[in-house]
Formats: sequence, structure tokens, C-alpha cells
Amino acid sequence: AQKVTQAQTEISVVEKEDVTLDCVYETRDTTYYLFWYKQPPSGELVFLIRRNSFDEQNEISGRYSWNFQKSTSSFNFTITASQVVDSAVYFCALTGSSNTGKLIFGQGTTLQVKP
Amino acid sequence: DAGVTQSPTHLIKTRGQQVTLRCSPKSGHDTVSWYQQALGQGPQFIFQYYEEEERQRGNFPDRFSGHQFPNYSSELNVNALLLGDSALYLCASSVTSTRSSYNEQFFGPGTRLTVL
Repeated sequence: AQKVTQAQTEISVVEKEDVTLDCVYETRDTTYYLFWYKQPPSGELVFLIRRNSFDEQNEISGRYSWNFQKSTSSFNFTITASQVVDSAVYFCALTGSSNTGKLIFGQGTTLQVKP
Repeated sequence: DAGVTQSPTHLIKTRGQQVTLRCSPKSGHDTVSWYQQALGQGPQFIFQYYEEEERQRGNFPDRFSGHQFPNYSSELNVNALLLGDSALYLCASSVTSTRSSYNEQFFGPGTRLTVL
């Protein structure tokens, strides 16, 4: 069975602080993909990043960075110098070669960035 | 290039009624997936349609059914509505390719269904 766990339900930070959102996953597939999505109050899921199981390189995109570690089955997301516009619900998701097309989402982490 | 569109935006129904939600995929996409997102939860996979057939299904009762049309648009039907069906229903479209084991899904804005 596949599972995604986001242990942090809510995080509140003050603008300009760095914040890390945790994601732990479970899968028996050797080929799988991990994702992060942002969901603002409007409801639409906004794609942030995709990582496949064969690429453990960390990635940085502006203020966003992702740390993928297969040894600990984690795919954590860090926002540097957070801004009020970063306030949203963030979801980590997983799909594998055994059920391609079916995204398994975590429960989400609500991030509140205060001015 | 229009993204994934869904209609209606909001819908209010009463218990026992039936509802139909609609989704138009992104241009060039041939696969549509539906997800249910209850308040405070992550989206849960309902089913996926490709070539007008249900290709995968999540853990949802038969009250949830769907259809895909030749133009790749899709409908989600829910019969005998329960209070617990109140949720945001998200549609995602993608391209099915034999060259890749995964094809990225693009999400629409969702339909918020309230069952009273």
C-alpha cells in the first residue's frame, strides 16, 4: 500500500522566517514520483515540483527548495524568507508504477505567514 | 490555451438527490481523473477515465459513476447524495503516453458541493 504522511497540521511563522514542511512516504514500488502542490484559498491545486525515485538531487527554485532522501523516505520542502503570499495549504503526493495516474495525497500542512 | 475547466463552481443539493459535475480537460489531454477533497483533508482519488472507459478506481461506492465523451470531457455523477458527500470535487487532466510511466496531472479549480 502507498501512504503519504504530513505530520505538521498547521505551521505559523512570521514573514522572512524560513520554514520546512515535512513529508514521509511509503511505497513498495521501485519507480515512483513525488510531488508538492500548493492550494490557496481559491481551491485550485498548483503544481510546485515533481521528483522521480531515481533522482535524489536536491532542487532549488527561487525561495523554494526540496530535500529528497530515499534512505528516510522523506521529501521535505523548505521556503526561505517566507512571505505572506506563501500562506496556503501544501500537499505532498505520491504515485507509483503500480498505479500510475492515481495520486496519493497527504493530509496537508496549513502554512500561515504573518506580517 | 485554456487549462482544466469545471462546472458548476458551487452547488447545493439535498440528501437523496443526484448531481452531475462536469470537466473539460486541458487542450491536448486525453485522460481525466476525479478527486474528492473533504474539508481539512487531502484529495482522494475517485476514478480515472481514458478512451471513454474507467481505467482505475479508488475506494468509492457505486453511487459514484462517471463518463468520458469522445471529446475527452468528463462527467462525475453521484446518486443518493449523503451529507458526507459534501466536498470539493477536483478534476485533473493528463496525457496517456506509452513512453512514460507517469504523466503529469493538471488540476481544475474544483466544484464545491454542499449537501443539506
